[in-house]
Amino acid sequence: EAGVTQFPSHSVIEKGQTVTLRCDPISGHDNLYWYRRVMGKEIKFLLHFVKESKQDESGMPNNRFLAERTGGTYSTLKVQPAELEDSGVYFCASSRQVRTSGRGGPRETQYFGPGTRLLVL
Amino acid sequence: KQEVTQIPAALSVPEGENLVLNCSFTDSAIYNLQWFRQDPGKGLTSLLLIQSSQREQTSGRLNASLDKSSGRSTLYIAASQPGDSATYLCAVSTSGTYKYIFGTGTRLKVLA
Repeated sequence: EAGVTQFPSHSVIEKGQTVTLRCDPISGHDNLYWYRRVMGKEIKFLLHFVKESKQDESGMPNNRFLAERTGGTYSTLKVQPAELEDSGVYFCASSRQVRTSGRGGPRETQYFGPGTRLLVL
Repeated sequence: KQEVTQIPAALSVPEGENLVLNCSFTDSAIYNLQWFRQDPGKGLTSLLLIQSSQREQTSGRLNASLDKSSGRSTLYIAASQPGDSATYLCAVSTSGTYKYIFGTGTRLKVLA
């Protein structure tokens, strides 16, 4: 079974440009998450999709960030226009179970991709 | 607001030593706690997931415990090896949400 994949692995852009990151979750995983780590800080949640619907986007920093998951398969995260403080590592994760009983379970294990390292100059 | 703290921030031990990594969280209403390792320049590898109803999980030389009432989890690594050198991250998901709140990690170096 293929793991979570992300593209590109690295991106260097200038301030004001647009960048689009892509994530392909593990096949059959309805939950897809975006996280990021900026220099020296802990990994922080950005948003959560259940299939094609945004379940929680409380971590999105501002309206320069747009995430989509058309068809409930792969997801894209677009940053437009990019600012210097957007530099960091963007991780995507996926998990299988959609919680129905109100209690967590092992199928909620989140599997992370290798990340996209974004540098805004 | 959930906050996750990991102590120590860095740890260097000789090969063969047993060691304990600590994770504490402020809100005991968690669903899951997951331990990850991250190698330099790589993604996160899931090590163990503990459900809120469980006290511990084991995988090989790794054992993770959970004490919700005190807001703590420990990751025990037995007979450490140089290949265990990595950053270890603790993350919790809390009530009403799937998102993980991460600690800042413990950088482990096991010396040959």
